Amino acid sequence: QKEVEQNSGPLSVPEGAIASLNCTYSDRVSQSFFWYRQYSGKSPELIMSIYSNGDKEDGRFTAQLNKASQYVSLLIRDSQPSDSATYLCAVNRGYSTLTFGKGTMLLVSP
Amino acid sequence: DAGVIQSPRHEVTEMGQEVTLRCKPISGHDYLFWYRQTMMRGLELLIYFNNNVPIDDSGMPEDRFSAKMPNASFSTLKIQPSEPRDSAVYFCASSLQGFNTGELFFGEGSRLTVL
Repeated sequence: QKEVEQNSGPLSVPEGAIASLNCTYSDRVSQSFFWYRQYSGKSPELIMSIYSNGDKEDGRFTAQLNKASQYVSLLIRDSQPSDSATYLCAVNRGYSTLTFGKGTMLLVSP
Repeated sequence: DAGVIQSPRHEVTEMGQEVTLRCKPISGHDYLFWYRQTMMRGLELLIYFNNNVPIDDSGMPEDRFSAKMPNASFSTLKIQPSEPRDSAVYFCASSLQGFNTGELFFGEGSRLTVL
């Protein structure tokens, strides 16, 4: 079983819609969860972090965590073409490592 | 302030040749990471350093790979001899607090093609 799983996509949404990106993880002792955004040909950059169950909002982005279901998601409201990128879910199982999923490609059409 | 600087940005070499990738972390960051990204395997941690000391190299594929950090502002990842399956984008990243905050600052990457 893969440690961090994401649908590879692409997820296509029209401009202005809500994009929902999902991630599941296998290790129940995972403590911290992160979303990175990676534009094509560029490096990953951290956009959201979440540590406890529930929702965390930052501008148009909302991260949701459900540790019982081992599930973390990222919602992007009012999606813009500039949001088109690959979104990587990352899970911290302690201080020793950060494991990345393969990412979901998001395409926002004008 | 300058970010993480990697060189070369692109490298094309032939099987069997030695490849050296270089990285300058952000000044003041005590942690340095080397990752490899491929379509098949995603982003994989190869090795990371804390205060110039290698902490975990369990991700290094085999003895052909080696990494050094002679000082706080410079690290190298060497592949000798290189093989076609080593073709990937190699990212260097640095951080203040390791994996704790999850905030790693990545360089632009070195795209390696081994023919």
